[in-house]
Amino acid sequence: DTGVSQNPRHKITKRGQNVTFRCDPISEHNRLYWYRQTLGQGPEFLTYFQNEAQLEKSRLLSDRFSAERPKGSFSTLEIQRTEQGDSAMYLCASSFGRPGVSSEQYFGPGTRLTVT
Amino acid sequence: AQTVTQSQPEMSVQEAETVTLSCTYDTSENNYYLFWYKQPPSRQMILVIRQEAYKQQNATENRFSVNFQKAAKSFSLKISDSQLGDTAMYFCAFMGFTSGTYKYIFGTGTRLKVLA
Repeated sequence: DTGVSQNPRHKITKRGQNVTFRCDPISEHNRLYWYRQTLGQGPEFLTYFQNEAQLEKSRLLSDRFSAERPKGSFSTLEIQRTEQGDSAMYLCASSFGRPGVSSEQYFGPGTRLTVT
Repeated sequence: AQTVTQSQPEMSVQEAETVTLSCTYDTSENNYYLFWYKQPPSRQMILVIRQEAYKQQNATENRFSVNFQKAAKSFSLKISDSQLGDTAMYFCAFMGFTSGTYKYIFGTGTRLKVLA
């Protein structure tokens, strides 16, 4: 396993278009996270899956954002009707967690979104 | 609400010298985890070191060590014998388990430059 992968690495889109990003976590990891990172800032939590269940969604995740992890493996993040403020790096991370026990997150390379 | 503060936006250190990056956090939880992540330029974020709040002993990983002061809610990272490859953004992160879900919160980062 080569780690967490994300596709595409870069996406340029026009305002108002829909975009979808994919994340493939490390295969045995049951937890998957999406973050948004803007220039000069730390990652901001968007949402979190344990297996296929979406357990937490940030208030940052407006109605235009939706995430899925249909079979508890890969995940997709869709942004509808993109706005210029959506321009950012979208990071995916995965971990293998047991209840009450922390496990470090392994990050993917990110998808850089530019909305023109 | 939990917060993580990194008050040093940028730092520099001479190669082979020692540098300390600061991080403070705020939480009402008693059990949590703290992490330092490194994000080299245009590369993936990787874990540097982690600390469980219930452990009094400070974590160490080779040249990296932390000074964890639970009462003061302080979690600084010390890098000894700095190397050019240590040049990166460093993020302090907090992880707590509340209301049945895990919450990860990152600081805004410290850009470290190691000078030859």
